[in-house]
Amino acid sequence: QTVVTQEPSFSVSPGGTVTLTCGLSSGSVSTNNYPSWYQQTPAQAPRTLIYRTNTRSPGVPDRFSGSILGNKAALTITGAQADDESDYYCLLFMSSGTYVFGTGTKVTVL
Amino acid sequence: EVLLVESGGGLVQPGGSLRLSCAASGFTFSNYWMAWVRQTPGKGLEWLATIKGDGRETFQVDSVKGRFTISRDNAKNSLYLQMSSLRVEDTAVYYCGRDNDYKMDVWGQGTTVTVSS
Repeated sequence: QTVVTQEPSFSVSPGGTVTLTCGLSSGSVSTNNYPSWYQQTPAQAPRTLIYRTNTRSPGVPDRFSGSILGNKAALTITGAQADDESDYYCLLFMSSGTYVFGTGTKVTVL
Repeated sequence: EVLLVESGGGLVQPGGSLRLSCAASGFTFSNYWMAWVRQTPGKGLEWLATIKGDGRETFQVDSVKGRFTISRDNAKNSLYLQMSSLRVEDTAVYYCGRDNDYKMDVWGQGTTVTVSS
């Protein structure tokens, strides 16, 4: 069973920078996993932020960026704002044709 | 406007069955893979299954194989999730999503399934 691990939580100051990561229980994340990132606030459906590792979805501010850092996918928020306080999930495509969501990271802005 | 609207959730006893539906509008439904994702109370997202635009290919997570079946009716612009042998741990909000270029780019508002005696 593949597990995709994210940091449980992060705290960032307004205007600060935070990098969330997304790793595989076995192996490295690569662009072939087509990492995507989603933002979710309570009782809302997820919102797509990043796809294909580093492409922003329409309407997503450029303070959100995606990358591969070492053996993990990463989402960086540069210049965090209060309304960035949310849960963030990564999604990886596996060679079997299935997908796996990460465990999620709760970001607090204070 | 591109829209997905789920329905069919509710309260069901353990061992029971339920069929969820997702009505799509605002795009050419048959051109896209579609997926089901769930979120258990207070927990994270779990990808469940995806189905090709013509319905001829599906993929599922191992934990629901043999119990859940994804299907679609392109004439009705609708996606379905047939769930059987339901367990308490299947209690969740179920979302349908458009699976487009290895991302879920459109999401429904979700429908709640509660499995309890």
